[in-house]
Amino acid sequence: DTAVSQTPKYLVTQMGNDKSIKCEQNLGHDTMYWYKQDSKKFLKIMFSYNNKELIINETVPNRFSPKSPDKAHLNLHINSLELGDSAVYFCASSQEAYSGANVLTFGAGSRLTVL
Amino acid sequence: GDSVTQMEGPVTLSEEAFLTINCTYTATGYPSLFWYVQYPGEGLQLLLKATKADDKGSNKGFEATYRKETTSFHLEKGSVQVSDSAVYFCALSDRGTGGFKTIFGAGTRLFVKA
Repeated sequence: DTAVSQTPKYLVTQMGNDKSIKCEQNLGHDTMYWYKQDSKKFLKIMFSYNNKELIINETVPNRFSPKSPDKAHLNLHINSLELGDSAVYFCASSQEAYSGANVLTFGAGSRLTVL
Repeated sequence: GDSVTQMEGPVTLSEEAFLTINCTYTATGYPSLFWYVQYPGEGLQLLLKATKADDKGSNKGFEATYRKETTSFHLEKGSVQVSDSAVYFCALSDRGTGGFKTIFGAGTRLFVKA
């Protein structure tokens, strides 16, 4: 049973379209994250939710809108896709947000290609 | 702001060679330090961690020691295997305005030849 699962695994779409990526964790964790990994493997945090509440919102364009319907789910919706949005998006979870020793558990990633 | 710097790759070694991947950090607080590994087509997974100065994290033959005086957390393994080929990420977790945030280095790709 996959601990953090993301769908879809691959997404190919045209510029200007809107798309969503879904994430679910079955670990009972309180905190979930979205990270973006670019073509050079650089990994950057985008958002973090703790018990459905947004707690970290990095400098990300407004076209990106996360939603957490409950603490086990965190979705990412992207409007008006641009070429520069092409990347691998990773969902992750951790037991809680307020411990430095937190270990992140990652999903397998969703590769988005914008043509 | 906080940052993590690790040696650029790729690193190419023969099987049974000694591995060192250097990692240094800057942080405003007293961070926890981690090494994560990413195998092809997969998400990152924790390799080892250390939460305070002089702690040594170890797992699967890999080791790293939290050195506060040199702000470093270098990864070592005495004898690498082909199956160790992957991308290795050094990371820190430090308190930010919204809770603790994990920041990653740029990753170092390791190739191990048989």
